[in-house]
Amino acid sequence: KAGVTQTPRYLIKTRGQQVTLSCSPISGHRSVSWYQQTPGQGLQFLFEYFSETQRNKGNFPGRFSGRQFSNSRSEMNVSTLELGDSALYLCASSLEGTPETQYFGPGTRLLVL
Amino acid sequence: GQSLEQPSEVTAVEGAIVQINCTYQTSGFYGLSWYQQHDGGAPTFLSYNALDGLEETGRFSSFLSRSDSYGYLLLQELQMKDSASYFCAVSSPFQKLVFGTGTRLLVSP
Repeated sequence: KAGVTQTPRYLIKTRGQQVTLSCSPISGHRSVSWYQQTPGQGLQFLFEYFSETQRNKGNFPGRFSGRQFSNSRSEMNVSTLELGDSALYLCASSLEGTPETQYFGPGTRLLVL
Repeated sequence: GQSLEQPSEVTAVEGAIVQINCTYQTSGFYGLSWYQQHDGGAPTFLSYNALDGLEETGRFSSFLSRSDSYGYLLLQELQMKDSASYFCAVSSPFQKLVFGTGTRLLVSP
């Protein structure tokens, strides 16, 4: 079974721009979560989607948004990029009812200049 | 809020046993998970404790004590490939994982 895939793997943007990241979960996994990883703040939960609905959201500003499609693929968008948004963005998929076991994609490394 | 504290770095030699501790301040969580992340890689699931006690998975064991708000990951017969960062995490409703600060394990020959 194929793992979680994320595109693009690397991205360079400038302040003020917006970016869209994509995630394809493992087949059969309907829950998709997004995390931000930085050296200073560690791994932080952004939001989780299930059946096209956002069920949970972390403590991030409204510039961070996401959505999920009917095939469980998910996208996250960051608008008006700031330097502090430079990070590794990880997507994870899981089976419903098993929040402890999440399967992570390789991540998208975003650099904001 | 929820917070999980781990030592920032642990060093050990090949073949040794190492314990990575995790203390937490949270409530209403389902259980404690452990993830491994190699440099440049994605976190991968290692172990999960829903109940107090020890869970063993090959060379790795994990322990949870809810009364002490404490858990640990035990790695035996250390190998060079075990050099990585290790994160404890609590799981809560709607698939949310709250991760600890992470412990960098350095295994030397």
